[in-house]
Amino acid sequence: ELKVEQNPLFLSMQEGKNYTIYCNYSTTSDRLYWYRQDPGKSLESLFVLLSNGAVKQEGRLMASLDTKARLSTLHITAAVHDLSATYFCAVDRGTYKYIFGTGTRLKVLA
Amino acid sequence: KAGVTQTPRYLIKTRGQQVTLSCSPISGHRSVSWYQQTPGQGLQFLFEYFSETQRNKGNFPGRFSGRQFSNSRSEMNVSTLELGDSALYLCASMPGTVFRLTDTQYFGPGTRLTVL
Repeated sequence: ELKVEQNPLFLSMQEGKNYTIYCNYSTTSDRLYWYRQDPGKSLESLFVLLSNGAVKQEGRLMASLDTKARLSTLHITAAVHDLSATYFCAVDRGTYKYIFGTGTRLKVLA
Repeated sequence: KAGVTQTPRYLIKTRGQQVTLSCSPISGHRSVSWYQQTPGQGLQFLFEYFSETQRNKGNFPGRFSGRQFSNSRSEMNVSTLELGDSALYLCASMPGTVFRLTDTQYFGPGTRLTVL
């Protein structure tokens, strides 16, 4: 059974600092996704990672994928308050059945 | 292009009742998935429909069912509601046709179900 784990579950950081969220999954997967969810809102797609070594960047967020280690990271550079949200990774095996991680609740302190 | 819409947005029911939630996908999308989100269990996959057929199913009891219509709109039904069914129910759509590797799911705002 495919399992997806994220750590940390909670992250409180100061503005301007850097940090990394980790996403581990238990079996091979075709694709890995990162989503953002603001409180009381739905999920917004951030990145789709397709292959080993893939790296995507958008603003202060950068995601990477290591399929051999079954690990994806979401790196936050010089955090700002607007990045406060819950971040989810999800994997699928090409079957349209997404398995989501536990989520990382990020709070950026001014 | 209009996004994924879900109705109703909020719902309060009592134990033993049944409920039907509706989801309208992005125009042109034929795949609709449903998820249950709770603080304790996180986001859990319920089922996915494509062209009126259920293609995938998660590990939920038979009280949870769904269907998809010819216009790709989807409904999910929960019968004999239990307190533990209180959750945010999200639907997501994607093209689901000629599958492109970069396709991702687009989520609706969700229906917040409270079971008393």
